[in-house]
Amino acid sequence: DTGVSQDPRHKITKRGQNVTFRCDPISEHNRLYWYRQTLGQGPEFLTYFQNEAQLEKSRLLSDRFSAERPKGSFSTLEIQRTEQGDSAMYLCASSPRLAGSWDHNEQFFGPGTRLTVL
Amino acid sequence: KNEVEQSPQNLTAQEGEFITINCSYSVGISALHWLQQHPGGGIVSLFMLSSGKKKHGRLIATINIQEKHSSLHITASHPRDSAVYICAVKETSGSRLTFGEGTQLTVNP
Repeated sequence: DTGVSQDPRHKITKRGQNVTFRCDPISEHNRLYWYRQTLGQGPEFLTYFQNEAQLEKSRLLSDRFSAERPKGSFSTLEIQRTEQGDSAMYLCASSPRLAGSWDHNEQFFGPGTRLTVL
Repeated sequence: KNEVEQSPQNLTAQEGEFITINCSYSVGISALHWLQQHPGGGIVSLFMLSSGKKKHGRLIATINIQEKHSSLHITASHPRDSAVYICAVKETSGSRLTFGEGTQLTVNP
């Protein structure tokens, strides 16, 4: 399977614990995005990387959240001191670079990591 | 008011019916995506369009840039089409996607 993969698929944790999620994008996709989706809502943008550089972060990404993409391939999203409000589906997507423009490039989504904070 | 609004929020249809889901947006965009999400979370991209119309099988997507409106049509609907359909726009000023809240479609046999 050469699609976007995420690990773990499900995570249950107690409030105050730290959690880390991993995303493996489609090979050679330059851009990698993290989104969060709460029940009954559409996804919300968190952050994105172009290669290893984190180019944009949402206001939703508090200082308890940190994302890395150290070698420009896989990415990790860490949440420190989890709160019940962090319970959500965390989605990763990647997109290829198209010749000549960054516009109009399709994003390919992973299956998501569902986080439950007790 | 959300930047991307979809209607209806919920839609129930009988197998074989023609279905339309609408999306309106209030920002300048470079592209609009229609996505499908099944229970369990996986999101599949159906269309990405910046003008005109695209067709794939029984699915048709149209966009009117001047009116800032897009529609997703499903012809001859089938129970396996039951899913959440999400409209997302890529603003001209950035790379992020801004999503609508989704339309829950249920097609009964």
